[in-house]
Amino acid sequence: EAQVTQNPRYLITVTGKKLTVTCSQNMNHEYMSWYRQDPGLGLRQIYYSMNVEVTDKGDVPEGYKVSRKEKRNFPLILESPSPNQTSLYFCASSPYRITEAFFGQGTRLTVV
Amino acid sequence: GQQLNQSPQSMFIQEGEDVSMNCTSSSIFNTWLWYKQDPGEGPVLLIALYKAGELTSNGRLTAQFGITRKDSFLNISASIPSDVGIYFCAGRLMVGAGSYQLTFGKGTKLSVIP
Repeated sequence: EAQVTQNPRYLITVTGKKLTVTCSQNMNHEYMSWYRQDPGLGLRQIYYSMNVEVTDKGDVPEGYKVSRKEKRNFPLILESPSPNQTSLYFCASSPYRITEAFFGQGTRLTVV
Repeated sequence: GQQLNQSPQSMFIQEGEDVSMNCTSSSIFNTWLWYKQDPGEGPVLLIALYKAGELTSNGRLTAQFGITRKDSFLNISASIPSDVGIYFCAGRLMVGAGSYQLTFGKGTKLSVIP
């Protein structure tokens, strides 16, 4: 089954404790991206990657890092999480030049 | 970044009624997309529009890419209870060689009264 898998689905952590949210897709898509979704603000892009070793900032990249060492994986790294990063995070992937076709189920992150 | 104005923010309709929602922007986009998000799930792509003036249907859903490339609308005909959810528009813009930006509207929350 074609899918984008995020882990974990839910995470509560403390301020400053580094964490990684994983994202994996099994469709051989070139393009992957991360979004955060907040009430009243909709979906905002954090980072995206056009292919392996190619990443770029989206609209709200501050406080986040990403890496794309393999085509299927695109982890989101929060080196020092803060409460304002409490949000619902989505990973997405699509074939090159076609925009987001598949979203993951989301990761609800709470930073206390 | 780009700004998309999606309206209405929410709507309550009777089952069987038609629904219309739209997105407008001051910027020109190359592609318009419409997604639906069910509670606890990620958005699912409904329709993608690639050319100004394009009108595309997907079952009871119809969407159009505005001639000015600054707007798009989505219609749902004969609504049913499973149409409940949040509908998002998104505009895609090339920002450089091989690089593009995708901006989402804030969503239209649809409630269907049986």
